[in-house]
Amino acid sequence: EAQVTQNPRYLITVTGKKLTVTCSQNMNHEYMSWYRQDPGLGLRQIYYSMNVEVTDKGDVPEGYKVSRKEKRNFPLILESPSPNQTSLYFCASQGGPGELFFGEGSRLTVL
Amino acid sequence: AQRVTQPEKLLSVFKGAPVELKCNYSYSGSPELFWYVQYSRQRLQLLLRHISRESIKGFTADLNKGETSFHLKKPFAQEEDSAMYYCALSPASGGSYIPTFGRGTSLIVHP
Repeated sequence: EAQVTQNPRYLITVTGKKLTVTCSQNMNHEYMSWYRQDPGLGLRQIYYSMNVEVTDKGDVPEGYKVSRKEKRNFPLILESPSPNQTSLYFCASQGGPGELFFGEGSRLTVL
Repeated sequence: AQRVTQPEKLLSVFKGAPVELKCNYSYSGSPELFWYVQYSRQRLQLLLRHISRESIKGFTADLNKGETSFHLKKPFAQEEDSAMYYCALSPASGGSYIPTFGRGTSLIVHP
């Protein structure tokens, strides 16, 4: 089954404690991206990757890092989380133009 | 630059009433337009794309290049249509295909 898998689905952490949200896709897609979803602000792109070892900033990259060492994986790293990074995060991979497959989301709370 | 505007944050209708979720875009090239839907506590999923000219779950959307709009319509709303709807635009050519999302419209269908 074609899918995008994120982990963890839910996480509560404290300010400054590094965390990683993993994302994996099994569709051999080159393009992957991370979004955060906040009430009233919709979906905002954090980072995207066009292929292995090729990443670029989206609209709200501050406080985040990513890596793309393998085609299937695209982890999101919060080196020093802060409360304003409390959000719902979605990973996506892209088939054709604009056709995104989303993960189930990771709800992060930073205390 | 590409931009997608969904002017309504919230749309509230009664079951059986017609629904129109508005989407306007700006893009200098040839766009591909999409509607994504997110049901409560579920991942975002592609609802329909303009090039398919299809009707999904009773929803249709027509690309109006003169008015630069891609409104989503359904003649008779159902309670199960209650969800968050996002309009998205992707360049049809040029290589990047990175989609841009609107801020979303929350549709509530009352019994």
